[in-house]
Amino acid sequence: AQKITQTQPGMFVQEKEAVTLDCTYDTSDPSYGLFWYKQPSSGEMIFLIYQGSYDQQNATEGRYSLNFQKARKSANLVISASQLGDSAMYFCAMREFQGGKLIFGQGTELSVKP
Amino acid sequence: GAVVSQHPSWVICKSGTSVKIECRSLDFQATTMFWYRQFPKQSLMLMATSNEGSKATYEQGVEKDKFLINHASLTLSTLTVTSAHPEDSSFYICSARVAGGGAYNSPLHFGNGTRLTVT
Repeated sequence: AQKITQTQPGMFVQEKEAVTLDCTYDTSDPSYGLFWYKQPSSGEMIFLIYQGSYDQQNATEGRYSLNFQKARKSANLVISASQLGDSAMYFCAMREFQGGKLIFGQGTELSVKP
Repeated sequence: GAVVSQHPSWVICKSGTSVKIECRSLDFQATTMFWYRQFPKQSLMLMATSNEGSKATYEQGVEKDKFLINHASLTLSTLTVTSAHPEDSSFYICSARVAGGGAYNSPLHFGNGTRLTVT
């Protein structure tokens, strides 16, 4: 069965600095997708970035990049130049080719300090 | 594009009553919708997968008679919490997959969620 693990319940980062949010996963399906979502206190889920299991390059979207290490089964999110508005819950999620369900990790609460 | 509208955004109801939550895809057709439940400071837990025109598939431990899901059209899925109790108080959020977007690399689009409080 697929599994997603985020081991950092909370993280602090200074404004303008970079921060890495950890995510490890487990699956027996060779085809899968990894996603990161941001959830502000208002509750909506904001899609940030996607990495496919067959992608050779690490995904990047603006200030977000995904450090994908397939052999280690990790998909860490890197946020560069943190902003106060980045303070939120961040969820790593995985979707297998077989089944199609999007399963979430426990989340990491990021706080950006001015 | 790919907007999912969820209504109501919050609801307070008395114990024993039923509450219906709607999830609409506004600018795309969604053959599959997913319903999640989230307790404060916790992760999103998948409750059920809703396919248009067929019965929903519930995750283990989710009472299908308590959480009724109907997906009558390609743009609307509803979740009805029947005979609600205080322990059903939670944040419920739906998501939709674009028709034909079954590949594992297409992100789900989420509604803004419904905060249910049962008194």
